[in-house]
Amino acid sequence: QVQLVESGGGVVQPGRSLRLSCAVSGVTFSSYAMQWVRQAPGKGLEWVAVISYDGSKTFYADSMKGRFTISRDNSKNTLYLQMNSLKPDDTAVYYCARVLGSNTGTYIDYWGQGTPVTVSS
Amino acid sequence: DIQLTQSPSSLSASVGDRVIITCRASQDISNALAWFQQRPGKAPKSLIYGASSLQEGVPSKFTGDGSGTDFTLTISSLQPEDFATYYCQQYNSYPRTFGQGTKVEIK
Repeated sequence: QVQLVESGGGVVQPGRSLRLSCAVSGVTFSSYAMQWVRQAPGKGLEWVAVISYDGSKTFYADSMKGRFTISRDNSKNTLYLQMNSLKPDDTAVYYCARVLGSNTGTYIDYWGQGTPVTVSS
Repeated sequence: DIQLTQSPSSLSASVGDRVIITCRASQDISNALAWFQQRPGKAPKSLIYGASSLQEGVPSKFTGDGSGTDFTLTISSLQPEDFATYYCQQYNSYPRTFGQGTKVEIK
């Protein structure tokens, strides 16, 4: 049974940093690309970033490029999202998701339950 | 970036009704479209990929169709658990983009 469990969310002041984690079990983690998707309160889904199965390729949404870094540790079956220079607009629930297909993948099949991030002074 | 426009933004329907949600892409994305369901307070759930292929375990009352720029999600015989918000997403190119969502409410 595939499980994705996010952690690391919380309340953080504007300009500070936060690192989210997504622990994956029930599947060979190193075989799959992974994505982060976020959802601001009362809003729709927003794609954040993707990383290839081996970590060699990444893509980001323009609004997060340069501030957010997606990474993975295949030895720990864990996906990360390092978020720097946080802004109030980054307040959202952050979901990790498994992506099927080669390299950076294509479509999502499994989602985590999400971890909330609030950026506020 | 590819824009996805869903219509309607919301709809009211009764148990047993059939509903159709449309997703229009700003450029040709072939069949690189997925549909997701999100119940209130819950994580999204994957329903369809490749515009028309059901994810494992998804009931056949969900039907996806379309290619190019115009896509539909049809839900036949609505049940209480189907009242949720539905999103389309394109995976033809980066950045990946989502439609704004369609909220299906009980009439």
